[in-house]
Amino acid sequence: SQKIEQNSEALNIQEGKTATLTCNYTNYSPAYLQWYRQDPGRGPVFLLLIRENEKEKRKERLKVTFDTTLKQSLFHITASQPADSATYLCALPTSSSASKIIFGSGTRLSIRP
Amino acid sequence: DAGITQSPRHKVTETGTPVTLRCHQTENHRYMYWYRQDPGHGLRLIHYSYGVKDTDKGEVSDGYSVSRSKTEDFLLTLESATSSQTSVYFCAISEDRAFQADEQYFGPGTRLTVT
Repeated sequence: SQKIEQNSEALNIQEGKTATLTCNYTNYSPAYLQWYRQDPGRGPVFLLLIRENEKEKRKERLKVTFDTTLKQSLFHITASQPADSATYLCALPTSSSASKIIFGSGTRLSIRP
Repeated sequence: DAGITQSPRHKVTETGTPVTLRCHQTENHRYMYWYRQDPGHGLRLIHYSYGVKDTDKGEVSDGYSVSRSKTEDFLLTLESATSSQTSVYFCAISEDRAFQADEQYFGPGTRLTVT
């Protein structure tokens, strides 16, 4: 079965720097990969989706890359701000259903002023 | 939270008692999901529904049952709660757009404590 590994349980960086989070998967290459943000005490919120034929996707200060050879996605936040502090989850579909996805355990990002 | 409500938001119950959690959506989305989230495990799928009366198991379905009698409501039942079911439960919904990936929209969560 597909497994997801999000390297770094926690990441602390200085405000203004670029935060880079990693998501690795182990088996088949998914048709797409998603990134979510979760704040304490709240449900995850969808941020970005990247498809297998897309190398890079951007949304404002966010950038996601998808390398099917490395079986890896990188999530970048440029010009990071304390408000970006949250847990970030990657998710990808199971092999049996495109509408059923599995989540990584997340990386807790802290941006210090 | 994209028109998704969960009730109750917090519940404390005793071991062996039945518990039902409710998820209600106003988006008319086809798919509904129940997840549990525990430290070190992330979000794990319990059950999901792909239409009224159509449900299927997720990776951690033992000890849980679900029902969906209306598009807008998805119920999760713990027939006999155990301490291992202490967790935060999230409901999620997604549209059904054939051949396209669907993001999921999550509810606010229910914190369940089984003593």
